[in-house]
Formats: sequence, structure tokens, C-alpha cells
Amino acid sequence: GIQVEQSPPDLILQEGANSTLRCNFSDSVNNLQWFHQNPWGQLINLFYIPSGTKQNGRLSATTVATERYSLLYISSSQTTDSGVYFCAVTPHSGGSNYKLTFGKGTLLTVNP
Amino acid sequence: DTGVSQDPRHKITKRGQNVTFRCDPISEHNRLYWYRQTLGQGPEFLTYFQNEAQLEKSRLLSDRFSAERPKGSFSTLEIQRTEQGDSAMYLCASSPRDSPYEQYFGPGTRLTVT
Repeated sequence: GIQVEQSPPDLILQEGANSTLRCNFSDSVNNLQWFHQNPWGQLINLFYIPSGTKQNGRLSATTVATERYSLLYISSSQTTDSGVYFCAVTPHSGGSNYKLTFGKGTLLTVNP
Repeated sequence: DTGVSQDPRHKITKRGQNVTFRCDPISEHNRLYWYRQTLGQGPEFLTYFQNEAQLEKSRLLSDRFSAERPKGSFSTLEIQRTEQGDSAMYLCASSPRDSPYEQYFGPGTRLTVT
């Protein structure tokens, strides 16, 4: 099946710093989503971005589908940005099953 | 617009007992997914419904697991004869007809088997 690798696995920042999280995937995809998992376990949708660039406030994401990677940018980080960030994909070969394959996540800690 | 809801949020059970979880998707979302997440890992796919039809089950879903979506609305996931290895967060997601790839997740049910 498709492989999803996220880097770095852990990241510690001071409040106000910027960061870039990376997601590499091993096959062509129909779907790529970025999620933030809060301390209670809820997965919050950040971006649905199978290709191109999107921005939402301090967050932006870029997916280069032909090169099989996506980047999540967090600017002016805040303590509330802490948590685990997941990249998840649906492979092109998935047929009508749109199941997501997740990476292992990046644990972000933002210190005040 | 209410999001995906799951009940209960937490469940502690003894090994060998049966448990059932419920998921209510976002209204009119025709696709519903169950995932399982263990500590330090990303969620893993368990099973998938399109309307009331269960279309795929993962190898992770042993014979002790069964899922239903009887009227194409809410879904239940039952685990029979629970084992300690079943301890995990069980997540439900749904996606709409006009954007089938974009999944929205519920808050999860955290199961602890003692």
C-alpha cells in the first residue's frame, strides 16, 4: 500500500517562531488532508489539498503532486498550535474507497 | 451544522466483555468510515460504508468486530470478547456526496480494556 512519511517527528518552538512540516508519499494521490489532533484526541481539518497552495490565517499548505510531497507552514506560532499534525492521503488506485492512509504525525510543542 | 458525534467518549471494560460504540455522521453525508488509533500512531482504516452498504473491511477487523449502518445514517461498531490489545481510540469520519474525498472526524471513543 501507499507509504506516508512525515518529518520531523518532533518539533519544539518558541512562541512567535515559524515552522515547516513535511509529508512525503510513495504513490500518486487523489486526496491529501492535513489535520491537527488536539490534546483530547479530536482531529481538526486544516486543509484539503490534493494539489496547489492554500492559506488559512497563519497556516498555509502546498502540495506538489508530481513530486509526491506536501508542506504545512505555520507562521507566528502560538501555544494553542501545540499538538500532533497528521498528513493523510487517498491513493489514486483506491477505486471507490476513499479511505485515508495516515503518516505517523509531527508532535509540535510551542513554548511561551 | 453539527459535526460528527460519537458515543460514548470513554469506555472502560473488563477483558472478555462486549462493547458497542455509536457514530452519528454529519447530516446527509453518505460515506462513513471507522478508524482505530493506538498511542503514538496515526489512525488506521477499519471499515467503510456507502449509505447502508459496508463496502470494505480491513484485515485489522477480526471476527470479533462487527459494524453496521442499518438505515444509512448512524453506525455502530461492536467488539465482542474484548482483549487488552483492543485498547485504542476509535474514530469515526464521514464525507459528503459532492466531495467524497474530504473526511470530517468525530471526537472519538477511547476504549480501555483492563
